[in-house]
Amino acid sequence: AQSVTQLDSQVPVFEEAPVELRCNYSSSVSVYLFWYVQYPNQGLQLLLKYLSGSTLVKGINGFEAEFNKSQTSFHLRKPSVHISDTAEYFCAVSLSGNTPLVFGKGTRLSVIA
Amino acid sequence: DSGVTQTPKHLITATGQRVTLRCSPRSGDLSVYWYQQSLDQGLQFLIHYYNGEERAKGNILERFSAQQFPDLHSELNLSSLELGDSALYFCASSVQGLAGETQYFGPGTRLLVL
Repeated sequence: AQSVTQLDSQVPVFEEAPVELRCNYSSSVSVYLFWYVQYPNQGLQLLLKYLSGSTLVKGINGFEAEFNKSQTSFHLRKPSVHISDTAEYFCAVSLSGNTPLVFGKGTRLSVIA
Repeated sequence: DSGVTQTPKHLITATGQRVTLRCSPRSGDLSVYWYQQSLDQGLQFLIHYYNGEERAKGNILERFSAQQFPDLHSELNLSSLELGDSALYFCASSVQGLAGETQYFGPGTRLLVL
């Protein structure tokens, strides 16, 4: 069975600084990879996803992620964060032939003014 | 706004009771998924329906059941509730239920079992 590990449960960062949220997955078969964001008291919103092709994926709100098959990683990055990026970020994986998402435990990003 | 609606927003009930959570998918989406988010278990997939038929089951307890109706809305029934069932329950929808499709999440129903 596939699993997802988000290495940091909390990441504090100053406004306008860069940030990287780490995600590793384990699966012996091809997977699709996703990053979702959850703002306080809201549902999850898709930031970006990797299905195939270019390993660098650009998403909404200036976020991007890089798929690294050899490292089984899909880290999320943003070059300059804003206060409004404060939220919980979830990495998720699904097998290419199956649809349920398997989520990591989440990383709480706190942007400090 | 994802276009997925869930009612009620909050629910407080007692142990042993039964509740029904309702979800309306985005217009045109045929697939509905249910997820449970709790502090200890994180976000876990419960069940997936496509056009009225069950497609996949995850970590769903036998006390829980779901269905998708002809108008494509879905209901999640939770019975014999226990304290540990307190959680945020999300519904998500997608167009066809195919791998790799974006799942659009509703705002969730927060269940508190006392």
